[in-house]
Amino acid sequence: DVVLTQSPLSLPVTLGQPASISCTSSQGLVYSDGNTYLSWFHQRPGQSPRRLIYRISNRDSGVPDRFSGSGSGIDFTLKISRVEAEDVGIYYCMQGSHWPPWTFGQGTKVEIK
Amino acid sequence: EVQLVESGGGLVQPGGSLRLSCAASGFTFSGRWMTWVRQAPGKGLEWVANIKHDGSVKYYLDSVKGRFTISRDNAKNSLYLQMNSLTVEDTAVYYCAGGRGTDFWGQGTLVIVSS
Repeated sequence: DVVLTQSPLSLPVTLGQPASISCTSSQGLVYSDGNTYLSWFHQRPGQSPRRLIYRISNRDSGVPDRFSGSGSGIDFTLKISRVEAEDVGIYYCMQGSHWPPWTFGQGTKVEIK
Repeated sequence: EVQLVESGGGLVQPGGSLRLSCAASGFTFSGRWMTWVRQAPGKGLEWVANIKHDGSVKYYLDSVKGRFTISRDNAKNSLYLQMNSLTVEDTAVYYCAGGRGTDFWGQGTLVIVSS
C-alpha cells in the first residue's frame, strides 16, 4: 500500500501569513495514463471534508486562489498564500494512483497563533 | 446543487450488522463511481470501499473484505454499505463521497460498535 507522510502534523499560523504543508509518498504517484492522482482536502471542525485540489494543482470550483498545490514524483505541497480564519482545521492529502486501497495522509492540523 | 445524505448509522453490538444508505441528488448518479470513507473518533480518514457506475466493479479495504458489501441502485440514486460482523474497530463516522477521487462528500453517519 502507498503510505503518504504529511509534515508538519501541527501548524500554528499567523493570520495573513503564508503556510505550507508537505506530503511525501512511499512511491511515485504517476498513474499509467500519465496523470498524478494526488488531492488535498480540508476538514473544518465538526464538518465533513471538502476537496480543494485534485491532480496535484487543480483547484476545485469555489476554492479561493490563495490555495495552491505543487509537486511531482513523491513530493507534494499545499500552500496557502495568506491564511484566513476560515482556513483552520485539518488538511489531508490523498492518492488515487496505486489502488486499491486509495490512501490518505495522517492529516495536518492548522490553527491560528 | 450536489447533495449526498447518509443514513442508517447507530449503536450496534459487536458481531452485529448495519446497513448504511446514501441518497444522492444534483448530479448524474449513474455516471459516477461512488466511495465510502470512514473516520474513527479523533482519527484521520480511511478509504473503505468504492463501486463503479454500473456496479460491475467493487474494491474494498482489506480489513473489511468479506464483512462489508458496497452496492448501488441507480434507479433510486442510492448507494449502500452492508456491514456485517462488526467489531469495535469499525466505530467511525462513515462518509459517502462522489467519484473515485472523493470529489464531494456527504455529512456522514455515525456507527458505534459497543457492548
